[in-house]
Amino acid sequence: EIVLTQSPGTLSLSPGERATLSCRASQSVRANHIAWYQQKPGLAPRLLFFGASYRVTGIPDRFSGSGSGTDFTLTITRLEPEDFAVYYCQQYGDSPPTFGQGTEVELK
Amino acid sequence: EVKLVESGGGLVQPGGSLRLSCVGSGFSLSAYWMSWVRQAPGKGLEWVANIKQDGSEENYVDSVRGRFTISRDNTRNSVYLQMNTLRVEDTAVYYCAKNQLLIHDAFNLWGQGTVVTVSS
Repeated sequence: EIVLTQSPGTLSLSPGERATLSCRASQSVRANHIAWYQQKPGLAPRLLFFGASYRVTGIPDRFSGSGSGTDFTLTITRLEPEDFAVYYCQQYGDSPPTFGQGTEVELK
Repeated sequence: EVKLVESGGGLVQPGGSLRLSCVGSGFSLSAYWMSWVRQAPGKGLEWVANIKQDGSEENYVDSVRGRFTISRDNTRNSVYLQMNTLRVEDTAVYYCAKNQLLIHDAFNLWGQGTVVTVSS
């Protein structure tokens, strides 16, 4: 199975700063089938991106997804208070679908 | 409103069984692959199983194969997860999730989750 490694584990930032989250796959992800999710405490994950860079309707454009092959990135250009959460990447190009361990974006 | 609502979680002893249910509203569940995803306390997400639109194909993560069974009843707009021979390590929040389109896909709709605790 494909192992996804997210880094850093925790990102301590202030509102208005830029967040760059990395997701590295143990092998190339077919068709860049990578999704990104945001999860807040006590809530279900919310889909942000699929296909590495396709933003879901309603997600603000300060969020962007990029990458290909084994290296993928989620960028938040200017953090808003509601963006502090845990972010997961997921690959669905190979069976079984797998998730990274998550990156927590915390308030500095 | 488009949503999924899970039920059936609870406290069960090791070796016991539980049946989780997931009901969809605001859309026809029959058009989509459906999945169960779990999250152990303080941990990340793990895909557990999925089922094809007509119920003719099921897939499982290795750790639950032979113990869990996913099923669906499209007339009730519902998906189920029968969990047998439960282990302590099955303790988690179990989410029902809708695949976007493919057998393995991004999950674009999630339920609120139901808590399963396996403990003696």
